Amino acid sequence: QSALTQPASVSGSPGQSITISCTGTSSDVGSYNLVSWYQQHPGKAPKLMIYEGSKRPSGVSNRFSGSKSGNTASLTISGLQAEDEADYYCFSYAGSKVFGGGTKLTVL
Amino acid sequence: QVQLQESGPGLVKPSGTLSLTCAVSGGSISSSNWWSWVRQPPGKGLEWIGEIFHSGSTNYNPSLRSRVTISVDKSKNQFSLKLSSVTAADTAVYYCARHDDLWNFFDYWGQGTLVTVSS
Repeated sequence: QSALTQPASVSGSPGQSITISCTGTSSDVGSYNLVSWYQQHPGKAPKLMIYEGSKRPSGVSNRFSGSKSGNTASLTISGLQAEDEADYYCFSYAGSKVFGGGTKLTVL
Repeated sequence: QVQLQESGPGLVKPSGTLSLTCAVSGGSISSSNWWSWVRQPPGKGLEWIGEIFHSGSTNYNPSLRSRVTISVDKSKNQFSLKLSSVTAADTAVYYCARHDDLWNFFDYWGQGTLVTVSS
């Protein structure tokens, strides 16, 4: 059981927006803006999508955005595209360094 | 462009020791980054194993600390993972990655290598 809680799955239609949550506690997610998000396609290594809660690395589409409210960090994907279908993981400090359990995004 | 490449046996016997190496190219292992190992059992999520700084300082996942050793070889620009007393539960794809400790993100990853624990 991960110390960071993500929904197991989310889905959306092309063009829609979806949000994936990552819930921790006031001691980790709530105290620091150090959540990063990763996209992983089957058989591939994870790819950094968001760091420091809301910053995008060079080359990542501006359809991906990050935010935080209280003890929950969120990844929002707008204008959903077929290639966004993947697993998404959050990562933060929660006692130790830890990944969320992962969320499978299905594009309908 | 930094590149990381894992190498090591793909099959390890139960109760044995898993040993992997991550070769770093396009950058120095003596940079200000930490160097991490992450694993992913088949069909499951990512698990952070531990990390090392070029000075030799390490941090480990508390759940694996008793079995894990991460070391660095600056002369070869590489770092290594040893996991002892392995069981089938340690079967996973093992990734090495570069970690920015200041802002807590992994920016470069190896392609991953599958290690199967089986007799």
